[in-house]
Amino acid sequence: DTAVSQTPKYLVTQMGNDKSIKCEQNLGHDTMYWYKQDSKKFLKIMFSYNNKELIINETVPNRFSPKSPDKAHLNLHINSLELGDSAVYFCASSPQDRPLHPYEQYFGPGTRLTVT
Amino acid sequence: GQNIDQPTEMTATEGAIVQINCTYQTSGFNGLFWYQQHAGEAPTFLSYNVLDGLEEKGRFSSFLSRSKGYSYLLLKELQMKDSASYLCAVSESSNDYKLSFGAGTTVTVRA
Repeated sequence: DTAVSQTPKYLVTQMGNDKSIKCEQNLGHDTMYWYKQDSKKFLKIMFSYNNKELIINETVPNRFSPKSPDKAHLNLHINSLELGDSAVYFCASSPQDRPLHPYEQYFGPGTRLTVT
Repeated sequence: GQNIDQPTEMTATEGAIVQINCTYQTSGFNGLFWYQQHAGEAPTFLSYNVLDGLEEKGRFSSFLSRSKGYSYLLLKELQMKDSASYLCAVSESSNDYKLSFGAGTTVTVRA
């Protein structure tokens, strides 16, 4: 039973292309996240949605656009890909049934994006 | 803004104990998490501290001192499978559930 799944696992594409990464969670969680992990393994938050509403939008180029069609899905679309976008992108989810309480996040397997 | 520091690498022998320190300077504090990440895999949750003191979970324990902005993860009876990166992460605000991660500490366990 996959808790948080992402597709594709690997994505190789050329500069200037547009691509999407999909994420789904079957945990019934209210909150979902996108992280970028660069070559130095530094994990950085990009976006977060709570019940389909955007709650975190870090300083990310507007070429990156998240979309949450329902609370179990959070997709990431990237326009005009650049070399610096090469990284591993992780989707994560967490429950949020208690206000003010930060819960642990469950991560998907990651999507390794290589831009050539 | 946030500043979360951990050592880059540590090496230890199978069966030994290793302590991974994490210091943080953040604008707010709403809890500290430790995650384990094996090479090429997703981070997985290990522990959570919001009050000062030690939380023990089997071979792993985590300690927090909020006044010192300091935490450590203690790994006892090291096994080869413990070779991984260990990430310290701080929740700064109760409003947005955001976690700010340190760069991670790569632990290598040798036979």
